[in-house]
Amino acid sequence: TQLLEQSPQFLSIQEGENLTVYCNSSSVFSSLQWYRQEPGEGPVLLVTVVTGGEVKKLKRLTFQFGDARKDSSLHITAAQPGDTGLYLCAGEGGTSYGKLTFGQGTILTVHP
Amino acid sequence: NAGVTQTPKFQVLKTGQSMTLQCAQDMNHEYMSWYRQDPGMGLRLIHYSVGAGITDQGEVPNGYNVSRSTTEDFPLRLLSAAPSQTSVYFCASSYSSSTGELFFGEGSRLTVL
Repeated sequence: TQLLEQSPQFLSIQEGENLTVYCNSSSVFSSLQWYRQEPGEGPVLLVTVVTGGEVKKLKRLTFQFGDARKDSSLHITAAQPGDTGLYLCAGEGGTSYGKLTFGQGTILTVHP
Repeated sequence: NAGVTQTPKFQVLKTGQSMTLQCAQDMNHEYMSWYRQDPGMGLRLIHYSVGAGITDQGEVPNGYNVSRSTTEDFPLRLLSAAPSQTSVYFCASSYSSSTGELFFGEGSRLTVL
């Protein structure tokens, strides 16, 4: 099983602050996805990155895939209370072809 | 649009009881999967299917059975529930067997006493 380590596990910040969530592995992934989950609901896809070094932006969210395709980061600029939720990274590839391996998740709380 | 529908949303079982979690999708997706979510452990894959009649084990398959007789349905069976199976279960589907976007149901919270 390929492991994805997410950090930090918990993040509590004030509205307007910036933050970065990291997703790291010793394995190479052919693609990496980021999901956001709200209480009582299933995760919803935010973005998929497939190319080493790739950067994708989704409004105030910036996603980066590492050059070696072993790590990824999610950066949120000027966080808002609506960003509160559980953020999950998930990788596919190598020995886990056809299956997504999820990180433990980062619980983000943005206080007004 | 219904998407992925899971039933029941909540269930309490006694140790040793059996039950089936139902999952149905109306998007004509070939790939379906079951995950369990426990605090601090993210989502762990239980079983998955790349099409009708084909199933395979994921990371934590012990204690669970699945079948895929139709494209739409992918039930998860617990034959003899144990307290360690207390968790939130998510069914997810995707257009293709090589992972694209996973569409998740709302989850089923199971408590085994």
